[in-house]
Order: sequence, then C-alpha cells, then structure tokens
Amino acid sequence: KQEVTQIPAALSVPEGENLVLNCSFTDSAIYNLQWFRQDPGKGLTSLLLIQSSQREQTSGRLNASLDKSSGRSTLYIAASQPGDSATYLCAVRPRYGGATNKLIFGTGTLLAVQP
Amino acid sequence: EPEVTQTPSHQVTQMGQEVILRCVPISNHLYFYWYRQILGQKVEFLVSFYNNEISEKSEIFDDQFSVERPDGSNFTLKIRSTKLEDSAMYFCASSRGNSPLHFGNGTRLTVT
Repeated sequence: KQEVTQIPAALSVPEGENLVLNCSFTDSAIYNLQWFRQDPGKGLTSLLLIQSSQREQTSGRLNASLDKSSGRSTLYIAASQPGDSATYLCAVRPRYGGATNKLIFGTGTLLAVQP
Repeated sequence: EPEVTQTPSHQVTQMGQEVILRCVPISNHLYFYWYRQILGQKVEFLVSFYNNEISEKSEIFDDQFSVERPDGSNFTLKIRSTKLEDSAMYFCASSRGNSPLHFGNGTRLTVT
C-alpha cells in the first residue's frame, strides 16, 4: 500500500532564505507526483506536476525534483517570502490506480516565513 | 483562470440529517472527484466520476454517500445520514484526464 510521508512537519525560516521540503513514497510505481499549496481554510492550489519519466519541474522560484527509484521528491523554494507561508502537500498518483486521477497525499509541511 | 467552485463554504448539520454538497467543476473538464480532509489528517480520496458514472471509490465511500451530476454543470455529494465522524473539509476537484487536478476551496462540514 502506497504511503506518502513529508518531513519536516513544520518549518520556520527568515525571509530570503532558500529552503527544501521533502516528500517520500513507499512504492515507486507512480504515474506522477504533484506538489500543492494549501492556505488556511482554502482549497489546494497545484504548484508543480512531475511525470514519472521526468526528473524535475520549475515554476518561478519553485523547483521540484523526482527520484522515483529512491521514492523521493523535493520542493525547493528560492528566496522565500512571507507570502510563501502555507502548508505544502505532496501527492502521488499510483501507476496502477486505474484511469482516475486518484491521489495519495502526504500530511504536509507547514511553512512559516518570518519577515 | 477558470476555477472549481463549491457551495456552501460551511455547512452545519445535526447527526442523522442528510446533506448535499455542491460543486461546479471547470467547464471543459470531464473527470470529477471528491476528496475529504478530517482536521489534522491527510487529504483522502473518496470517489471519482466520469461519463456519468462512478469510476472508482474508496472504502470510505459507503452506502451513505452518493454522487450525482444532475445537469451539465453541477456535481454533488450527498451524505444520507450524517455521523459525527463525517465532520471534515470536503474538496471537489476536476481534470481533463491526465492533466493536474484543480481543487475547489472546499466545504467545511460540521456534524453536531
């Protein structure tokens, strides 16, 4: 059974610092991996999606990497800003999960960027 | 940018009552989903819906739950007889298939 773990559970950094969020998954048979941002009381905003054949994706100050064989992904945030404060969720779509976009989520990392 | 919209944002109901959570997916999307997040826990898949039928459902999605696409725009989740443990944030999502999921802002359901 696929399990997704994220560490750390919470992280507090000063503004301007570069940081890395970690995600690990137990079954390498994935179709893709997606990073989301969740603001308090809000929905999930997709940040980056990495297909299983890809190694990384970039969007602005965000860079996500995928090492499928070791079951790991990282989300790198450059030059963090207070507006980056949110919970970051990692989710995998199992390769054998049928035709649906059924995602398995991690517990998230709560990020606080101090001004 | 098109978005998934959910109503209401917060629903309070008494145990045993029926609730209907409503969603308007993005118009050109074909796949629709419900997920839920109990406070402090992971987001969990409930059900997926395609071509007017359920394509997959989780163990959580028992006989108390049902989904419907009553017209060309709405997608609903019904809980027939709510329990205390149904209290959670319920997220609707849609996609065009293998594209990223787009989530709504959720409905917070509180069962008292």
